[in-house]
Amino acid sequence: NAGVTQTPKFRVLKTGQSMTLLCAQDMNHEYMYWYRQDPGMGLRLIHYSVGEGTTAKGEVPDGYNVSRLKKQNFLLGLESAAPSQTSVYFCASSYSHWRDPRHTFGSGTRLTVV
Amino acid sequence: AQSVSQHNHHVILSEAASLELGCNYSYGGTVNLFWYVQYPGQHLQLLLKYFSGDPLVKGIKGFEAEFIKSKFSFNLRKPSVQWSDTAEYFCAVSNNDMRFGAGTRLTVKP
Repeated sequence: NAGVTQTPKFRVLKTGQSMTLLCAQDMNHEYMYWYRQDPGMGLRLIHYSVGEGTTAKGEVPDGYNVSRLKKQNFLLGLESAAPSQTSVYFCASSYSHWRDPRHTFGSGTRLTVV
Repeated sequence: AQSVSQHNHHVILSEAASLELGCNYSYGGTVNLFWYVQYPGQHLQLLLKYFSGDPLVKGIKGFEAEFIKSKFSFNLRKPSVQWSDTAEYFCAVSNNDMRFGAGTRLTVKP
């Protein structure tokens, strides 16, 4: 009954460092998403994937890269972290986009860039 | 640009009070509508959804929402709130992508 699992749960980075956030889902969902949550701004879509080997930009993609080498995994990378990337990051997955876009969310990663 | 607006940033109610949280969107065409809830320290969970059919949808924990197409609205309601409803509530609209409102923080005083 895992659903969507995100690792790590917390991380502190220095400006300029790089890191990768891992998201794994066990529901055989085609669609996966990365959002960032900031106070007063709700969730904003960073990147998403409509299937293995495909990725697309969302609303706020700058400074992030993603990869979907396996259907169950969706990685979010920060090549050179900036303080503006301090946020809570949520991964989500859905069965489809048009027929059933209901999201199942992971528990989040709280990232602080100092 | 497509957007989702939640009018109330923070709502404070006493237990047993009635709740209505507003949500308006600016998408044209066919949309799917959602309310998600985020309890303190937890991830977002689906509260209810509207895909088609009866515009009054019922969700978990006594919540309901009404889709009014002419007003581009999908307001969330609950007749009598409980302390355990303290959480942040997000309206979301799915068209070409899923867009979330900024959220409404609900505090229920015991």
